[in-house]
Amino acid sequence: DIVMTQSPDSLAVSVGETATINCRSSQSVLYTSNDKDYLGWFQQKAGQPPKLLLHSASTRDSGVPDRFSGSGSGTNFTLTISSLQAEDVAVYYCQQYYTPPYTFGQGTKLEIK
Amino acid sequence: HLQLHESGPGLLKPSETLSLTCSVSGADISSNTYYWGWIRQPPGKGLEWIGSVYYSGWTDYSPSLKSRVTISTDTSKSQFSLKVKSVTAADTAVYYCVKHEFYGCPVHWGQGALVTVSS
Repeated sequence: DIVMTQSPDSLAVSVGETATINCRSSQSVLYTSNDKDYLGWFQQKAGQPPKLLLHSASTRDSGVPDRFSGSGSGTNFTLTISSLQAEDVAVYYCQQYYTPPYTFGQGTKLEIK
Repeated sequence: HLQLHESGPGLLKPSETLSLTCSVSGADISSNTYYWGWIRQPPGKGLEWIGSVYYSGWTDYSPSLKSRVTISTDTSKSQFSLKVKSVTAADTAVYYCVKHEFYGCPVHWGQGALVTVSS
């Protein structure tokens, strides 16, 4: 199985500042035939299902604000939330869908400082 | 507008079989463009992929659950289902049905169904 490890487990950031969450996979999730990383980022607010923010490591899903951006390739990835807003309080997960079992990181809890 | 809705019993006893159905509206469940899956989340914990079913009927399951899990589709009803045999308290979780796009990313999620296993 591909192990997904996120860091940090939690962080507190002031409104208007930038939050950075890292995700590392135990093996590459880059599909070389189409040069796409099979890596998604999800946001889960309390009491709600997860919501897709980014797929292919850096492509925002429809309707996702451009404050959310993703970077990285291969085994190291970053989710960056710029100009943090109070509504961004949530748990964030990365997931690889390169090969089954499609594993998730343990989650990063984002709070407002 | 795509909607996924999970339904099924919310309370089971140990050793019983968990059965959940996901009703799909706004998408063709038999299309070869997408596939469908189940993901669960124990209370206060992280997300675990259970398995997925492809338009061809092929299934993939998590190795940790493979011996107990069956996922199938009923295209006539625009539904797909999850069965987990011999449940224990460790199977207590919110179960989400999902639609995969972009080479496998779970893009659309149902609201989730809480299943509690307790004697």
